[in-house]
Parts: sequence; structure tokens; C-alpha cells
Amino acid sequence: AQKVTQAQTEISVVEKEDVTLDCVYETRDTTYYLFWYKQPPSGELVFLIRRNSFDEQNEISGRYSWNFQKSTSSFNFTITASQVVDSAVYFCALTKKTGNTGKLIFGQGTTLQVKP
Amino acid sequence: NAGVTQTPKFQVLKTGQSMTLQCAQDMNHEYMSWYRQDPGMGLRLIHYSVGAGITDQGEVPNGYNVSRSTTEDFPLRLLSAAPSQTSVYFCASRRTGTEGNTIYFGEGSWLTVV
Repeated sequence: AQKVTQAQTEISVVEKEDVTLDCVYETRDTTYYLFWYKQPPSGELVFLIRRNSFDEQNEISGRYSWNFQKSTSSFNFTITASQVVDSAVYFCALTKKTGNTGKLIFGQGTTLQVKP
Repeated sequence: NAGVTQTPKFQVLKTGQSMTLQCAQDMNHEYMSWYRQDPGMGLRLIHYSVGAGITDQGEVPNGYNVSRSTTEDFPLRLLSAAPSQTSVYFCASRRTGTEGNTIYFGEGSWLTVV
């Protein structure tokens, strides 16, 4: 069975602090995709990143970086120099690569509050 | 770019009423799906479709019906609304090819059943 665990329910930081959101997943599939989505207070789901299970390179996009470690089944997300606009709920998700039916397995989400 | 469009954005229903949440995408995506979001539970799959005329159940299908008569549209029907269906509903779509399995979501529909 597939499962995604985001153990941190809520995180509160002060602006300019770095913050890491943890994501641990379980799957028996050898090929899969991992995602991060952001849900700001307005409610929409914003796609942030997709990672193929064969690609363990870390990725950096501006203040955002992702650390994918297959050995520990983790796909952690770090925001450097956080800003108030980063306040949102962040979801980690998992899907099969082949025979995919559009089914994403979501974690419970981590609510990040960045205080000025 | 319209992407995935959901209507209505907000709806209040009385128990036992029926309604349809509309979803349309203009990206020619083969796959479409409906999720519901509840506090502390992330998003859970209700129904999905791999193409026009083909639908299947997800994790939490009870109380919901879907159909897929065209590639663009994937409505979600609540036949007899119950308070347990109070939730935020997201329609999503994806295509294969260079984007792989990235799934794009609509803006959400907030449904309250009283």
C-alpha cells in the first residue's frame, strides 16, 4: 500500500528563518513520482515540484529546495529565508509512474505560519 | 489560460438535496478526477476518469456519481446530500507526455450541507 506521512502538523517561524518540511513515503512500486503542492489561504492548490523516483538529484528553485533520499524514503522541502507569503498548507504527494490512474496519495499536510 | 475550472466556488445545501459540481478543462487531458479535502486528512480521491465514457471509483466514492461524456467535462453529482459531505472539493486533470504525471487542480468548491 502507498502512504505519505507529514509528521509536522503545524510549524511557526519568524520571517527570514529557514524551515524544512518533512515528508516520508511508503510504496512497493519501483517507479513513482513525488510532488509538493502549496495551498495558500485563498484555497487553491499550487503545484511546486515533481520528482521522478529515478532522479535523486536535489533541486533548488529560488528560495525553495528539495532533498529526495530514496534510501530513507524521504522527500523534504526547505524554504530558505522564509517570507510571510510562504504561509500556507503544504502537501506532499505520491503517485505511481506506470498504469497511473491519476490517483495521488496525499500526506495530511503541514501548516506553515511565517510571522513578520 | 483557463486550465481546470470548477463551479460553483461556494454552495450551501440542505440535507437530502441534490446538486452537481461542474468541472471543465481546456488542456485536452485524458485523466480527470475529483478529490475531497477534510481537515487532518489531506485530499482523498472520490472518482476518476481515464477518458470519455470511462469512469471508476476512488477511495471514498459513496454518495457521489460521475460521468464523462466529453474529454473536457467531468461533473460530480451528489444525489442526496449529507452533512458528512461537507468538504472542499477539487477537480484535477493530467495528461501524459512531457509533463508525465503532474496533476493540475481547479480552485476548489466549498460545500456545506446543513
